[in-house]
Amino acid sequence: TQLLEQSPQFLSIQEGENLTVYCNSSSVFSSLQWYRQEPGEGPVLLVTVVTGGEVKKLKRLTFQFGDARKDSSLHITAAQPGDTGLYLCAGANQGAQKLVFGQGTRLTINP
Amino acid sequence: GAGVSQTPSNKVTEKGKYVELRCDPISGHTALYWYRQSLGQGPEFLIYFQGTGAADDSGLPNDRFFAVRPEGSVSTLKIQRTERGDSAVYLCASSLGLAGGTGELFFGEGSRLTVL
Repeated sequence: TQLLEQSPQFLSIQEGENLTVYCNSSSVFSSLQWYRQEPGEGPVLLVTVVTGGEVKKLKRLTFQFGDARKDSSLHITAAQPGDTGLYLCAGANQGAQKLVFGQGTRLTINP
Repeated sequence: GAGVSQTPSNKVTEKGKYVELRCDPISGHTALYWYRQSLGQGPEFLIYFQGTGAADDSGLPNDRFFAVRPEGSVSTLKIQRTERGDSAVYLCASSLGLAGGTGELFFGEGSRLTVL
């Protein structure tokens, strides 16, 4: 069974600070996605990474896929209250249509 | 609307009852997924449809759970003899269903099921 573990599970920081959340597995994935979920809503896709070592930037968010395609990180620069939410990583295997989700990192940015 | 629509948004039932949850995907999306999200957890895969057929139902926890998509659009997740442990948010997602990977999944807001 493939598992994705996210850390930390909870993170509360002040506006303007930087942070990194991690998504780790002992299994290789062909691609990895990051989603953000707000209360009462479904997850919304932020990014997909497919190549080992790949780095993608989305405004103040930087996503990296590990060289071995077993782990990923999300770095947020100068966090803002609007970044508050549950961040989920999800792995997929080539040809398979189901995603394996981590348990999420609940991020709170305090004004 | 243009997004994935799920009904009901909330369902409270008693242990042992039968429940149906409905999902209306984005028009033109051939792939449809059901996930279950328990409190404090990430979504857990239940079943995936490509068109009318269940291409992967390996995530259904037991034979009390069943899902259909008879015309390749709307899907219904059916739970028989509900148990308290079935309480969760049931998320539906759809995608274009392109070969080679999951692509972008578009999730609905979920149906929150509470079994008393």
